[in-house]
Amino acid sequence: GENVEQHPSTLSVQEGDSAVIKCTYSDSASNYFPWYKQELGKRPQLIIDIRSNVGEKKDQRIAVTLNKTAKHFSLHITETQPEDSAVYFCAAISGYALNFGKGTSLLVTP
Amino acid sequence: NAGVTQTPKFQVLKTGQSMTLQCAQDMNHNSMYWYRQDPGMGLRLIYYSASEGTTDKGEVPNGYNVSRLNKREFSLRLESAAPSQTSVYFCASNGGGGSNQPQHFGDGTRLSIL
Repeated sequence: GENVEQHPSTLSVQEGDSAVIKCTYSDSASNYFPWYKQELGKRPQLIIDIRSNVGEKKDQRIAVTLNKTAKHFSLHITETQPEDSAVYFCAAISGYALNFGKGTSLLVTP
Repeated sequence: NAGVTQTPKFQVLKTGQSMTLQCAQDMNHNSMYWYRQDPGMGLRLIYYSASEGTTDKGEVPNGYNVSRLNKREFSLRLESAAPSQTSVYFCASNGGGGSNQPQHFGDGTRLSIL
């Protein structure tokens, strides 16, 4: 089955800096890659997703890049703010199953 | 429009007890999913229902059963609860059609097995 690796497991940045989270996947048939943000005690919420027919997608301060040849995709957050502090999960689809990475705990310090 | 609603929000069980976690969605989605989330493990798929009338095993199905009661509702049953099933359980749904559509999650059920 699909195996999704996510790095780093923890990330601390200063407010205003950029944050980058990287994921790799194993199933070359995967064609959908969402990113979720989860605040403590809350549900995972979709923040951005990308399909395999595009290489990059942006939404304000958030961007995702996809390299299908290398089987890796990344989340980029620019101009980070304290409210960006949360756990971020990448995922890759394999059939109907959404396979998640183990998460990155992002801390943005003022 | 409530999205995905899970009940109960919290539950404590004794080893060997049974219980059913309920999930309902009002987005007319075809596909529904049950995940468990454990510290440091991310979310792992237990069972899913691609469409009404079908269910399939995910990564960690042992100890669980599911029922897709109708298009709106998808329940998860623990027949004989074990401490290893202590976890946070999330239900999700999406439009289906190959599943490369965003999944929307409920608020979760926090389950403790003593």
